Amino acid sequence: ETGVTQTPRHLVMGMTNKKSLKCEQHLGHNAMYWYKQSAKKPLELMFVYNFKEQTENNSVPSRFSPECPNSSHLFLHLHTLQPEDSALYLCASSRQQASNEKLFFGSGTQLSVL
Amino acid sequence: GENVEQHPSTLSVQEGDSAVIKCTYSDSASNYFPWYKQELGKRPQLIIDIRSNVGEKKDQRIAVTLNKTAKHFSLHITETQPEDSAVYFCAASLPLNNNDMRFGAGTRLTVKP
Repeated sequence: ETGVTQTPRHLVMGMTNKKSLKCEQHLGHNAMYWYKQSAKKPLELMFVYNFKEQTENNSVPSRFSPECPNSSHLFLHLHTLQPEDSALYLCASSRQQASNEKLFFGSGTQLSVL
Repeated sequence: GENVEQHPSTLSVQEGDSAVIKCTYSDSASNYFPWYKQELGKRPQLIIDIRSNVGEKKDQRIAVTLNKTAKHFSLHITETQPEDSAVYFCAASLPLNNNDMRFGAGTRLTVKP
């Protein structure tokens, strides 16, 4: 275990549903991230939070809404998603938000949008 | 911004043989190059990394080499074992305070017993 826990592991939702992904880390890290992993594509950085302040929004559509209530918890709220949003959503954390920090990933949420 | 290309996309080797995965990057200012391994259904995990002031780094059966002039770096796995089967991702990171790491598309390595 790397100390980063994501729930749920699997999620199936319709395009009109609202759901939330949860990520929790007990590593004492200050930075948390959301990545999107699609088949045969590079990991795509979506959002970065440092000391619970959002520092990066990588041109992500507004149907994805992150929330970071504290340094240990990160949420991704989903609303009116499209089928092309189906992917594995990975949460990660690092000690600091710096270019050479090791990322600790969660196991991901496999999302299917019908 | 940085762009990372990774080859091959799939690689199959016989147990005991060596495997080499190559990545190229576009921004000469990139200075940190990690490799992540993702086994089927599991999370990506860092296996080795290299910084731009070093040309080669080794850890038991895995090694990474960096050619800054050519802007490419490679992962070498010797004496491969079935448990090495996974998807391997390279990444490159600029020396900025944002940890915006750019990943390659991944290489699916299969080691046949």
